[in-house]
Amino acid sequence: KQEVTQIPAALSVPEGENLVLNCSFTDSAIYNLQWFRQDPGKGLTSLLLIQSSQREQTSGRLNASLDKSSGRSTLYIAASQPGDSATYLCSKGRGGATNKLIFGTGTLLAVQP
Amino acid sequence: SAVISQKPSRDICQRGTSLTIQCQVDSQVTMMFWYRQQPGQSLTLIATANQGSEATYESGFVIDKFPISRPNLTFSTLTVSNMSPEDSSIYLCSTPTGSSGNTIYFGEGSWLTVV
Repeated sequence: KQEVTQIPAALSVPEGENLVLNCSFTDSAIYNLQWFRQDPGKGLTSLLLIQSSQREQTSGRLNASLDKSSGRSTLYIAASQPGDSATYLCSKGRGGATNKLIFGTGTLLAVQP
Repeated sequence: SAVISQKPSRDICQRGTSLTIQCQVDSQVTMMFWYRQQPGQSLTLIATANQGSEATYESGFVIDKFPISRPNLTFSTLTVSNMSPEDSSIYLCSTPTGSSGNTIYFGEGSWLTVV
């Protein structure tokens, strides 16, 4: 069974700090990897997509990396802001059906003003 | 990116009743998926909504409980039948789109509470 694990489950940081969220996979066959943000009671907002041939993607203050050999991905958030407070979800495409996603349990981030 | 609209955004339902959730995409898409997110849990894929044929269900999900329609390339519905409190969840519609067709987008979700 393919599993996606996210560490830590929750994180609280003061505003302005740089932080790293971690994601790991039991299945080393990595297809597309996508990070999402979810605000309470809301749907998912796509943050970054790393395709299987890529190693990282950047968007503004966000940088996501993928290390296929170790089955790990990280999401780096620079200069965190209170508006970054949300749950961050890591997902990978299933083998043979990359548009079907397997999700991690998420990291709940709180950025304190 | 795709704009995905879901209705209702939230509802409180009586035990034993059924509710149909609608998903509308602003462009024609080949694939549409339905996910469930139970309280405190991550997302789990329910089924793939296929246009012109029966939906493809994941292990643990059956058509009698979650009938799905896909009448065209922009619209799908998910019905949650004979609801129990365990069905209280956020139900989300998604589709891949973008220039590479690999970015997955989600609707805002439909938050159902069964009492």
